[in-house]
Amino acid sequence: SQQGEEDPQALSIQEGENATMNCSYKTSINNLQWYRQNSGRGLVHLILIRSNEREKHSGRLRVTLDTSKKSSSLLITASRAADTASYFCATDGDTGFQKLVFGTGTRLLVSP
Amino acid sequence: EAGVAQSPRYKIIEKRQSVAFWCNPISGHATLYWYQQILGQGPKLLIQFQNNGVVDDSQLPKDRFSAERLKGVDSTLKIQPAKLEDSAVYLCASGQDTPPSYEQYFGPGTRLTVT
Repeated sequence: SQQGEEDPQALSIQEGENATMNCSYKTSINNLQWYRQNSGRGLVHLILIRSNEREKHSGRLRVTLDTSKKSSSLLITASRAADTASYFCATDGDTGFQKLVFGTGTRLLVSP
Repeated sequence: EAGVAQSPRYKIIEKRQSVAFWCNPISGHATLYWYQQILGQGPKLLIQFQNNGVVDDSQLPKDRFSAERLKGVDSTLKIQPAKLEDSAVYLCASGQDTPPSYEQYFGPGTRLTVT
């Protein structure tokens, strides 16, 4: 079963604009990760945020986590055509081993 | 560093046939995962190995799916017999599974079509 639900399911923007996608999950977690998937590079890890962190940055990526609302957001600033991909959040479900449960994904299309 | 290798990349079989997928994880990674990704959905974990022991196989359809990881390195996933609903991409991933890095490294996947 899917743990997370991403919102929106699909997003279409122009290059240079910011893209925000949201993830909601159901159980308590130790950490939440975001992954990107495109046909060229497959599924790639982007960023990990721990349950005791509220915000994290990596380059043009900004992730927030609200454990009280069981939600996270991924912001991509100054988007590029190369950012076109599907983005998934994945949670560990507070298990001892890193069993990831992926959400349904947001399909992002960045047009030149 | 070499990535996770998978083969074959594509496979087309008829229902009730059997098929096997192979995965070679990143050297030194103790944890290996097999995921099934149906078109339009996120990956779903089928089985997780820690070295050569199974940690979690709760979502593996054991009546038709089997997996093994010999000597704690390479792994194979088998489907026998295949059903139409097994059409999906099968992803293998590996990880060090130790803090601070819990990220998983994914292979290119095997796209299975069952006709």
